[in-house]
Amino acid sequence: GEDVEQSLFLSVREGDSSVINCTYTDSSSTYLYWYKQEPGAGLQLLTYIFSNMDMKQDQRLTVLLNKKDKHLSLRIADTQTGDSAIYFCAEVSGGGADGLTFGKGTHLIIQP
Amino acid sequence: DAGVIQSPRHEVTEMGQEVTLRCKPISGHNSLFWYRQTMMRGLELLIYFNNNVPIDDSGMPEDRFSAKMPNASFSTLKIQPSEPRDSAVYFCASRSGTPAQPQHFGDGTRLSIL
Repeated sequence: GEDVEQSLFLSVREGDSSVINCTYTDSSSTYLYWYKQEPGAGLQLLTYIFSNMDMKQDQRLTVLLNKKDKHLSLRIADTQTGDSAIYFCAEVSGGGADGLTFGKGTHLIIQP
Repeated sequence: DAGVIQSPRHEVTEMGQEVTLRCKPISGHNSLFWYRQTMMRGLELLIYFNNNVPIDDSGMPEDRFSAKMPNASFSTLKIQPSEPRDSAVYFCASRSGTPAQPQHFGDGTRLSIL
């Protein structure tokens, strides 16, 4: 079945860039998403990319997709304390199943 | 604009009781999804609907779980009878059109079964 893998923790200094990585196994993945979850809250959509794209930039966020290696990354420039949260990578395959398959999430910890 | 609205936000009940979780999708969205989040298993899809019709319920853990969508603006997820292992955060999400459109999530219902 499909699988999405992420590192559990990432610690960065305030002001530095954060890079959160994700790998997936489903070669038919057509849409890939990044969601942010703050404590006690729901999932907030950050950005998404289609599999026919290599890169997408949105203000401080840059998504890179390496389809050959099935690797997705999210770069957050100038990381702030408000970026502290869990970041989930998710994918939808093109095989007709519309539900999202999520990774376990990466806890982003900001050091002052 | 109102997002996906879930109620209640928190539910604490004793095992064996019936639990009903509610969701109001974003107006105009024609797909609705129920997910469950636990520490051990992360986020899992339970069931989803397109145009009020259940499409895939393969993620529903047992017959104790049932979901309905009587109209385009309301869905319920029911657990009867509830068990302690059902304790989790249950999320509802909605989406318009095709999978090319992203899913938008509610704030979730935190369910505790004692």
